[in-house]
Amino acid sequence: QQQVKQSPQSLIVQKGGISIINCAYENTAFDYFPWYQQFPGKGPALLIAIRPDVSEKKEGRFTISFNKSAKQFSLHIMDSQPGDSATYFCAASAGTGTYKYIFGTGTRLKVLA
Amino acid sequence: ETGVTQSPTHLIKTRGQQVTLRCSSQSGHNTVSWYQQALGQGPQFIFQYYREEENGRGNFPPRFSGLQFPNYSSELNVNALELDDSALYLCASSSKRQGIDGYTFGSGTRLTVV
Repeated sequence: QQQVKQSPQSLIVQKGGISIINCAYENTAFDYFPWYQQFPGKGPALLIAIRPDVSEKKEGRFTISFNKSAKQFSLHIMDSQPGDSATYFCAASAGTGTYKYIFGTGTRLKVLA
Repeated sequence: ETGVTQSPTHLIKTRGQQVTLRCSSQSGHNTVSWYQQALGQGPQFIFQYYREEENGRGNFPPRFSGLQFPNYSSELNVNALELDDSALYLCASSSKRQGIDGYTFGSGTRLTVV
């Protein structure tokens, strides 16, 4: 019940295309869902995050769609660029007590020039 | 505003040895969490420190221990190293007053156990 399932494992997109990464969870106590971007040799960096009281959040080219009833959320990267090539992790957290993240297994995105 | 800094960046140890990893939290952050990231996997929560006390622990054995100092910096200690301990160890700081928003990760320490 603590797992966050992420798909696909890898993704190849043409420059200018839309990249879509999906995550699903079971624990209904989760109330914070961040996405992290990680480049090789670096730590994860917060990209965008959402709470369950909204169904969508957009920041620039990055959009999170959230479906509370289905317990699913996804990251959409519009107009994907070669510089977006990185590994993306979804995560979830329950906002009480210990603020720990449960991470998905990651999606390796490659954007072709 | 400084970010999260970790040292050393890389480390090679022999099975059975002990290791100490260090983390300086971001200015204004009073909570430090440690994560283990195996190759090709997502980070796994080890434990969290707030006000120098352990504030939650993941599914890691007692040979993983930590400290937080009055300046909010932190150490992760691993005793009796095993080959499976080879991973990227990430430190993340946050302000507990803000909850988990603003969780900032360092670049990690790459530990190799041979």
